[in-house]
Formats: sequence, C-alpha cells, structure tokens
Amino acid sequence: EVQLLESGGGLVQPGGSLRLSCAVSGFTVSTYPMSWVRQAPGKGLEWVSSIRLSGGRTNYADSVKGRFTISRDDSKNTVYLQMNSLRAEDTAVYYCVKGTEAAYGLFDYWGQGTLVAVSS
Amino acid sequence: EIVLTQSPGTLSLSPGERATLSCRASQSVSSSYLAWYQQMPGQAPRLLIYGASSRASGIPDRFSGSGSGTDFTLTISRLEPEDFAVYYCQQYGFSPITFGQGTRLEIK
Repeated sequence: EVQLLESGGGLVQPGGSLRLSCAVSGFTVSTYPMSWVRQAPGKGLEWVSSIRLSGGRTNYADSVKGRFTISRDDSKNTVYLQMNSLRAEDTAVYYCVKGTEAAYGLFDYWGQGTLVAVSS
Repeated sequence: EIVLTQSPGTLSLSPGERATLSCRASQSVSSSYLAWYQQMPGQAPRLLIYGASSRASGIPDRFSGSGSGTDFTLTISRLEPEDFAVYYCQQYGFSPITFGQGTRLEIK
C-alpha cells in the first residue's frame, strides 16, 4: 500500500526556516518523480516543486525559487522540502505527492498534508 | 504559464442529476496532459481523470472526461451523495504545472 506521511510543519516567524519531510512506503522514491503542492487556507492548489528521476533534476514555482529546496534521501525513502526566508504568503497546507512514470506532474498519490503557518 | 479557468465557480445540483464542469486553458495543453482531481472537505485531493479522458484506478465510470486543445469537460453522469466536493483541473504538460481555481459542487 502506498503511503506518504508528511511532517515538520508548524508555526514560524517571517524570515524563518522549516524543513518538511515526506516518509514514503509502498514504493521507492528513487524510481518515481516526487513533488510538493500547497494549499493556502480556503484557497486552491499551487504546485511548489518537483524532483525528477533523471539526475535528480529539480524545478520550482517562481514564488519559491531561490528560497525553497527539494531533495530526497534514497536510503531513508524520504523526500524533503527545505523552506527558507518564509513569508506570510507561504502559509498553507503542504502536500507531498507522487508523480507517475509517464509524467512527473501527474499526481496519483497524495499525503494528508502538513500545515505551515508563517506569522509573527 | 498556462492559466486554467474553471466554470462555474459553484454548481448546485441534486443527487441523481448530471454535472458538467468546464476547464478552459489560456493556450493549448500539450498532448492532452490535462487531469481532474476531487477534494473532499478536510482531505487531500484525489486523482480522477488523466490524459483528459482516462479514469484513474478505482474511479467509478459515472466520471468521464473529454476535450482537447484548450477546452475540457468533466462529466458526472448521475450524482451520488459522496460526489459533492471541490473539483480542480490541472495541466501537467508545461512547467510550471498549474491548477484551475476549482469548482464547488454543492447539494441543491
């Protein structure tokens, strides 16, 4: 059974940092592309970042480029999102999502999400 | 960036009725890389349709997708009580990956 379990969310002050983790079971993260998608309170879905298979190539939404870093640890079967210089507009539930072999941006499994709140 | 515009914003229907949700893209979506997701309150989204018209694993056949280019449609043939939720379209052919703003399907 595929499971994605996010952790690491919480309350942080503007300008602060957090690292989100996504522990995966049911498949190995080295064999599928992985991404993060966020949802601000009461709002829609926003793609944040992806890490692909080919050389671990990464890409980011313009809104987080230069501040967020996606990575994975194959030995721990875990994906991370390092978030620096956090802003109030980064407040959201962050979902870890699994991509498919055919398309890294097609998300067939989602975690339950972890809430990040940026406020002073 | 491809902008996806969903309509209507809210759709009020009764169980047993047919629902038609629209998604229009600001430019042609590559190879019909268009998906639909369902989100129940307090839950993560669930993949319903990919490639514009293919149902994901375990999705009932009352859900169907159609369209190409810039105009796509999600149809629910006969609404069940569990179908009342928010639906998002998504294009995954171009970076950045983008979602529509969502259509809320509510019980009339």
